[in-house]
Amino acid sequence: ETGVTQTPRHLVMGMTNKKSLKCEQHLGHNAMYWYKQSAKKPLELMFVYNFKEQTENNSVPSRFSPECPNSSHLFLHLHTLQPEDSALYLCASSPAGGDQPQHFGDGTRLSIL
Amino acid sequence: KQEVTQIPAALSVPEGENLVLNCSFTDSAIYNLQWFRQDPGKGLTSLLLIQSSQREQTSGRLNASLDKSSGRSTLYIAASQPGDSATYLCAVISGAGGTSYGKLTFGQGTILTVHP
Repeated sequence: ETGVTQTPRHLVMGMTNKKSLKCEQHLGHNAMYWYKQSAKKPLELMFVYNFKEQTENNSVPSRFSPECPNSSHLFLHLHTLQPEDSALYLCASSPAGGDQPQHFGDGTRLSIL
Repeated sequence: KQEVTQIPAALSVPEGENLVLNCSFTDSAIYNLQWFRQDPGKGLTSLLLIQSSQREQTSGRLNASLDKSSGRSTLYIAASQPGDSATYLCAVISGAGGTSYGKLTFGQGTILTVHP
């Protein structure tokens, strides 16, 4: 148990569907992150939120829309995805300050048909 | 743009061996370097974090060193066990920290298999 919970664990969707990934942390952290892990590529940072404010968008296509309603919850809204978006999406959290280890959830395995 | 490379891509050793995983980064202006472990179907677990001003960190059978000027880090695992089998990832935060808040750049990882 890492203290970071992601749901669902697996998701299969068509290119025209709309779905959302959810992340919740119970660690009292103030920073939350979305990462994408594709086969044969390094883990890529997508978004960073600090105290509910987005501080980083790593040139992510607009078909991915993050939402952070409070410091404990982070969502990734998905619409009109492409087959190359199939990947493991990982959420992480950390205390304020970039010198602290990030705690990761177990990810959502997303498959686009 | 920071790039992180890990060598070897895969490593298979018998139980009990001491082993070294290597990580290199192209921009030596880093804030810190972290080593993670990832088990199949799971997220990442932080193993060690080395600040840019430090040379090494130790946790149990793990020791990580950092040579910032040469852009290298090594993860040393002593007396390896089958339970150490996993993918090991190296990641750096570049820049002065305040402007690179939490922005980790990852290597592709080393897949370690320790067989009994």
